[in-house]
Amino acid sequence: AQRVTQPEKLLSVFKGAPVELKCNYSYSGSPELFWYVQYSRQRLQLLLRHISRESIKGFTADLNKGETSFHLKKPFAQEEDSAMYYCALKSPSNTGKLIFGQGTTLQVKP
Amino acid sequence: EAGVAQSPRYKIIEKRQSVAFWCNPISGHATLYWYQQILGQGPKLLIQFQNNGVVDDSQLPKDRFSAERLKGVDSTLKIQPAKLEDSAVYLCASSFTTDDNEQFFGPGTRLTVL
Repeated sequence: AQRVTQPEKLLSVFKGAPVELKCNYSYSGSPELFWYVQYSRQRLQLLLRHISRESIKGFTADLNKGETSFHLKKPFAQEEDSAMYYCALKSPSNTGKLIFGQGTTLQVKP
Repeated sequence: EAGVAQSPRYKIIEKRQSVAFWCNPISGHATLYWYQQILGQGPKLLIQFQNNGVVDDSQLPKDRFSAERLKGVDSTLKIQPAKLEDSAVYLCASSFTTDDNEQFFGPGTRLTVL
Protein backbone atom coordinates (compact mmCIF):
# COMPACT_ATOMS: atom_id res chain seq x y z
CA ALA A 1 0.00 0.00 0.00
CA GLN A 2 1.12 3.52 -0.69
CA ARG A 3 2.24 5.40 2.38
CA VAL A 4 3.99 8.67 3.25
CA THR A 5 6.04 9.03 6.41
CA GLN A 6 7.28 12.24 7.96
CA PRO A 7 9.34 11.10 10.93
CA GLU A 8 9.54 14.45 12.72
CA LYS A 9 6.50 16.05 14.33
CA LEU A 10 8.44 19.19 15.18
CA LEU A 11 11.58 20.73 13.78
CA SER A 12 12.93 23.80 15.54
CA VAL A 13 15.78 25.84 14.07
CA PHE A 14 17.21 29.31 14.42
CA LYS A 15 16.81 31.94 11.74
CA GLY A 16 19.52 31.58 9.12
CA ALA A 17 20.12 27.89 9.83
CA PRO A 18 19.60 25.24 7.14
CA VAL A 19 16.37 23.29 7.16
CA GLU A 20 15.60 19.77 6.01
CA LEU A 21 12.12 18.34 6.44
CA LYS A 22 12.15 14.62 5.88
CA CYS A 23 9.67 12.66 3.81
CA ASN A 24 9.79 8.99 2.90
CA TYR A 25 7.28 7.17 0.76
CA SER A 26 6.38 3.63 -0.11
CA TYR A 27 5.36 3.08 -3.70
CA SER A 28 6.80 0.76 -6.27
CA GLY A 29 6.13 2.76 -9.43
CA SER A 30 7.05 6.26 -10.54
CA PRO A 31 5.73 8.54 -7.81
CA GLU A 32 4.34 12.03 -8.08
CA LEU A 33 5.19 13.88 -4.90
CA PHE A 34 4.24 17.24 -3.47
CA TRP A 35 4.86 19.45 -0.50
CA TYR A 36 1.89 21.35 0.89
CA VAL A 37 2.19 24.04 3.56
CA GLN A 38 -0.21 25.56 6.05
CA TYR A 39 0.77 28.85 7.61
CA SER A 40 -0.93 29.96 10.82
CA ARG A 41 -4.60 30.78 10.22
CA GLN A 42 -4.28 30.12 6.49
CA ARG A 43 -5.43 27.35 4.19
CA LEU A 44 -3.44 24.36 3.16
CA GLN A 45 -1.69 25.26 -0.09
CA LEU A 46 0.69 23.73 -2.56
CA LEU A 47 4.33 24.66 -2.00
CA LEU A 48 6.04 22.65 -4.71
CA ARG A 49 5.81 19.52 -6.82
CA HIS A 50 8.69 17.31 -7.80
CA ILE A 51 7.91 17.22 -11.52
CA SER A 52 8.42 20.96 -11.76
CA ARG A 53 11.87 20.82 -10.20
CA GLU A 54 11.22 24.36 -9.03
CA SER A 55 12.37 26.42 -6.07
CA ILE A 56 9.61 28.16 -4.19
CA LYS A 57 10.38 30.63 -1.41
CA GLY A 58 13.89 29.24 -1.39
CA PHE A 59 12.71 25.66 -0.81
CA THR A 60 13.72 22.76 -3.01
CA ALA A 61 12.96 19.06 -2.88
CA ASP A 62 14.67 16.30 -4.79
CA LEU A 63 13.13 12.93 -5.44
CA ASN A 64 15.52 10.11 -4.50
CA LYS A 65 14.03 6.90 -5.80
CA GLY A 66 16.80 4.77 -4.32
CA GLU A 67 16.06 6.01 -0.82
CA THR A 68 12.35 6.57 -1.55
CA SER A 69 12.67 10.05 -0.14
CA PHE A 70 11.52 13.54 -1.05
CA HIS A 71 13.08 15.76 1.58
CA LEU A 72 12.34 19.50 1.62
CA LYS A 73 15.34 21.75 2.03
CA LYS A 74 16.17 25.40 2.46
CA PRO A 75 19.69 26.71 3.06
CA PHE A 76 18.74 29.64 5.29
CA ALA A 77 15.50 29.52 7.28
CA GLN A 78 13.41 32.64 7.78
CA GLU A 79 10.92 33.31 10.56
CA GLU A 80 8.11 33.46 8.02
CA ASP A 81 8.84 29.84 7.10
CA SER A 82 7.31 28.74 10.39
CA ALA A 83 4.35 26.58 9.41
CA MET A 84 3.02 23.05 9.14
CA TYR A 85 4.46 21.12 6.19
CA TYR A 86 2.85 18.05 4.63
CA CYS A 87 4.42 15.71 2.14
CA ALA A 88 1.92 14.08 -0.21
CA LEU A 89 1.97 11.27 -2.75
CA LYS A 90 -0.41 11.21 -5.67
CA SER A 91 -2.23 7.91 -5.81
CA PRO A 92 -1.37 5.81 -8.85
CA SER A 93 -5.05 5.09 -9.35
CA ASN A 94 -5.40 8.08 -11.72
CA THR A 95 -8.03 9.62 -9.49
CA GLY A 96 -5.77 12.46 -8.40
CA LYS A 97 -6.16 11.39 -4.79
CA LEU A 98 -3.41 12.59 -2.47
CA ILE A 99 -1.97 10.47 0.34
CA PHE A 100 -0.60 12.79 3.02
CA GLY A 101 2.06 12.28 5.64
CA GLN A 102 1.44 13.21 9.25
CA GLY A 103 3.00 16.62 8.86
CA THR A 104 5.97 18.38 10.42
CA THR A 105 5.74 21.67 12.29
CA LEU A 106 8.66 23.93 11.42
CA GLN A 107 9.45 26.51 14.05
CA VAL A 108 12.03 29.13 13.11
CA LYS A 109 13.28 31.01 16.13
CA PRO A 110 14.68 34.56 15.91
CA GLU B 1 -10.47 34.30 -8.13
CA ALA B 2 -12.62 33.26 -5.19
CA GLY B 3 -11.30 30.30 -3.29
CA VAL B 4 -13.02 27.18 -2.03
CA ALA B 5 -15.77 28.10 0.40
CA GLN B 6 -16.88 25.97 3.34
CA SER B 7 -19.48 26.37 6.04
CA PRO B 8 -19.87 26.27 8.92
CA ARG B 9 -16.35 26.95 10.16
CA TYR B 10 -17.00 25.37 13.54
CA LYS B 11 -19.59 22.93 14.83
CA ILE B 12 -20.09 21.33 18.21
CA ILE B 13 -22.57 18.49 18.57
CA GLU B 14 -23.27 15.64 20.90
CA LYS B 15 -22.68 12.04 19.91
CA ARG B 16 -25.51 10.43 18.00
CA GLN B 17 -26.58 13.78 16.57
CA SER B 18 -26.43 14.60 12.86
CA VAL B 19 -24.36 17.26 11.15
CA ALA B 20 -23.87 18.53 7.61
CA PHE B 21 -21.05 20.46 6.00
CA TRP B 22 -21.22 22.45 2.80
CA CYS B 23 -18.55 23.17 0.20
CA ASN B 24 -18.51 25.38 -2.86
CA PRO B 25 -15.47 24.72 -5.06
CA ILE B 26 -13.65 27.14 -7.31
CA SER B 27 -15.74 27.93 -10.35
CA GLY B 28 -15.00 25.57 -13.21
CA HIS B 29 -13.31 22.92 -11.09
CA ALA B 30 -14.74 19.55 -12.01
CA THR B 31 -13.09 17.57 -9.23
CA LEU B 32 -14.09 17.96 -5.60
CA TYR B 33 -12.53 16.21 -2.61
CA TRP B 34 -13.58 15.82 1.02
CA TYR B 35 -10.77 15.09 3.47
CA GLN B 36 -10.90 14.29 7.18
CA GLN B 37 -8.03 15.57 9.28
CA ILE B 38 -7.82 14.22 12.81
CA LEU B 39 -5.64 16.18 15.22
CA GLY B 40 -1.98 15.33 14.74
CA GLN B 41 -2.52 13.55 11.43
CA GLY B 42 -2.44 14.49 7.80
CA PRO B 43 -5.62 14.84 5.75
CA LYS B 44 -7.24 11.58 4.69
CA LEU B 45 -9.48 11.42 1.64
CA LEU B 46 -13.08 10.47 2.39
CA ILE B 47 -14.69 10.93 -1.01
CA GLN B 48 -13.89 12.38 -4.41
CA PHE B 49 -16.31 13.61 -7.06
CA GLN B 50 -15.74 14.21 -10.74
CA ASN B 51 -18.60 16.52 -11.69
CA ASN B 52 -21.57 14.85 -9.99
CA GLY B 53 -20.19 11.30 -10.04
CA VAL B 54 -18.25 9.56 -7.27
CA VAL B 55 -14.71 8.63 -8.27
CA ASP B 56 -13.42 7.27 -4.98
CA ASP B 57 -15.25 6.65 -1.71
CA SER B 58 -13.20 3.72 -0.52
CA GLN B 59 -12.40 5.32 2.84
CA LEU B 60 -15.83 6.77 3.54
CA PRO B 61 -17.56 5.08 6.51
CA LYS B 62 -20.74 4.56 4.59
CA ASP B 63 -22.77 3.39 7.57
CA ARG B 64 -22.74 6.94 8.91
CA PHE B 65 -21.22 9.26 6.32
CA SER B 66 -22.83 10.37 3.09
CA ALA B 67 -22.00 12.99 0.50
CA GLU B 68 -23.56 14.37 -2.60
CA ARG B 69 -22.79 16.78 -5.40
CA LEU B 70 -26.08 16.72 -7.24
CA LYS B 71 -25.49 19.45 -9.81
CA GLY B 72 -21.77 18.96 -10.09
CA VAL B 73 -20.99 22.22 -8.32
CA ASP B 74 -21.37 22.50 -4.56
CA SER B 75 -21.34 19.52 -2.25
CA THR B 76 -22.66 18.43 1.13
CA LEU B 77 -21.07 15.95 3.52
CA LYS B 78 -23.29 14.50 6.23
CA ILE B 79 -22.61 12.46 9.34
CA GLN B 80 -25.50 10.61 10.93
CA PRO B 81 -25.15 9.63 13.72
CA ALA B 82 -21.90 11.19 14.87
CA LYS B 83 -19.41 9.40 17.09
CA LEU B 84 -16.73 10.84 19.35
CA GLU B 85 -14.02 9.72 16.92
CA ASP B 86 -15.53 11.88 14.18
CA SER B 87 -14.07 14.96 15.90
CA ALA B 88 -11.78 16.39 13.24
CA VAL B 89 -11.35 19.12 10.67
CA TYR B 90 -13.21 18.40 7.46
CA LEU B 91 -11.45 19.87 4.47
CA CYS B 92 -12.91 20.40 1.06
CA ALA B 93 -10.62 20.80 -1.94
CA SER B 94 -11.10 21.19 -5.65
CA SER B 95 -9.05 20.91 -8.80
CA PHE B 96 -9.69 21.60 -12.46
CA THR B 97 -9.47 17.90 -13.31
CA THR B 98 -8.24 14.71 -11.69
CA ASP B 99 -5.01 15.10 -13.65
CA ASP B 100 -4.43 18.56 -12.26
CA ASN B 101 -1.39 18.57 -10.00
CA GLU B 102 -2.71 21.22 -7.65
CA GLN B 103 -5.62 20.94 -5.27
CA PHE B 104 -7.05 24.10 -3.75
CA PHE B 105 -8.25 23.76 -0.19
CA GLY B 106 -11.00 25.46 1.72
CA PRO B 107 -10.61 26.75 5.28
CA GLY B 108 -12.12 23.60 6.76
CA THR B 109 -14.88 22.88 9.26
CA ARG B 110 -13.76 21.98 12.76
CA LEU B 111 -16.18 19.43 14.23
CA THR B 112 -16.22 18.61 17.93
CA VAL B 113 -18.37 15.68 19.04
CA LEU B 114 -19.07 15.61 22.78
